[in-house]
Amino acid sequence: DTGVSQNPRHKITKRGQNVTFRCDPISEHNRLYWYRQTLGQGPEFLTYFQNEAQLEKSRLLSDRFSAERPKGSFSTLEIQRTEQGDSAMYLCASSRTSVTEQFFGPGTRLTVL
Amino acid sequence: QKEVEQNSGPLSVPEGAIASLNCTYSDRGSQSFFWYRQYSGKSPELIMSIYSNGDKEDGRFTAQLNKASQYVSLLIRDSQPSDSATYLCAVNAEMNTGFQKLVFGTGTRLLVSP
Repeated sequence: DTGVSQNPRHKITKRGQNVTFRCDPISEHNRLYWYRQTLGQGPEFLTYFQNEAQLEKSRLLSDRFSAERPKGSFSTLEIQRTEQGDSAMYLCASSRTSVTEQFFGPGTRLTVL
Repeated sequence: QKEVEQNSGPLSVPEGAIASLNCTYSDRGSQSFFWYRQYSGKSPELIMSIYSNGDKEDGRFTAQLNKASQYVSLLIRDSQPSDSATYLCAVNAEMNTGFQKLVFGTGTRLLVSP
């Protein structure tokens, strides 16, 4: 399977705990994106990497959120001190360029109790 | 005004009919337009992309773009129950930094009855 992969697929945590998600993009794609999707809404852009450089962050990405893409391969998204409002599907996508097709991974569903 | 607008539906069509899904967008500078299909509990799956005015056909799917009217649509011919899903319209929009991000509508739920 050469698609985008994400782990874990589901995460249940208690409020105040830290969580980390991983995304492995399509191998030849050097652009990687994180989105958040809540029920009844479309995905909302969080942040963007070109190779290892984080080039763009949404205002949705509070200081409790941090993302990395060491060596320009896989990426991690960490949420510190989780809040119930962080409960959502976190989606990773990758693309060849910034204006061409983005392909999504299966997502990580986060539930904060 | 929302950047990308879609009717939330549900749009109900009988099996074998044509389903027509519509989307309007606000950024006149947008150049790239995409349709994603999303089954309940799953992630979005890209089904069509269109970059220039007119129609683009791929199997049972046809995307139509009219930049002057800021309108993009998706036609699904010979609709099948397996087409029942939420269809997301996505449009690229330039941020202040020059970065092109994808902006999604809230999606239209399609129900195809046997």
